[in-house]
Amino acid sequence: QKEVEQNSGPLSVPEGAIASLNCTYSDRGSQSFFWYRQYSGKSPELIMSIYSNGDKEDGRFTAQLNKASQYVSLLIRDSQPSDSATYLCAVTAYSGAGSYQLTFGKGTKLSVIP
Amino acid sequence: DAGVIQSPRHEVTEMGQEVTLRCKPISGHDYLFWYRQTMMRGLELLIYFNNNVPIDDSGMPEDRFSAKMPNASFSTLKIQPSEPRDSAVYFCASSLAPRDVLFGFEQFFGPGTRLTVL
Repeated sequence: QKEVEQNSGPLSVPEGAIASLNCTYSDRGSQSFFWYRQYSGKSPELIMSIYSNGDKEDGRFTAQLNKASQYVSLLIRDSQPSDSATYLCAVTAYSGAGSYQLTFGKGTKLSVIP
Repeated sequence: DAGVIQSPRHEVTEMGQEVTLRCKPISGHDYLFWYRQTMMRGLELLIYFNNNVPIDDSGMPEDRFSAKMPNASFSTLKIQPSEPRDSAVYFCASSLAPRDVLFGFEQFFGPGTRLTVL
């Protein structure tokens, strides 16, 4: 069973601070990694994807990947109350013959305090 | 673009009844996914299709669940008979094909169907 682990939180940060969200995965063959944001009562929305080791920045968001440690993180700079949501980590591995393994973590709830 | 469309948005039914959830993916997307989300188990992949063909249904919990995709613009998830433990939010998502096998799916989710089985 492929596992994706996230701290459920809630993670509380003051407005303007950096929020750091972490995710570990068990399948060393995983190749692509995604962060989705889900507001309460809404559907998940893709905010970042990362495929190679290192950092990838998009606006206030930075995704970090370390395949050796099987670890992916999401940093949110200058956190805003509107960033308050649950953040889901998703991991994909190609298993051959056109088939993929897709696994989501249970998510980390982030609360940004004004 | 209208995005992924799901119906109904809410469904309340009694144990033993048949439930059919519907999904219209984004036009041009090759992949369609069905998920179930609960507080206890999080977001679970049930089944996904590529060009209307089921690729992996290993997440379908049991024979009471079935999914079809008769054409590129429509899919159904059916539960028969329904049980209280099937109560959850069911999401449909769609995606373009990955650029390469090393790249996964950038999925677009529908608004979900909240199913309550009494």
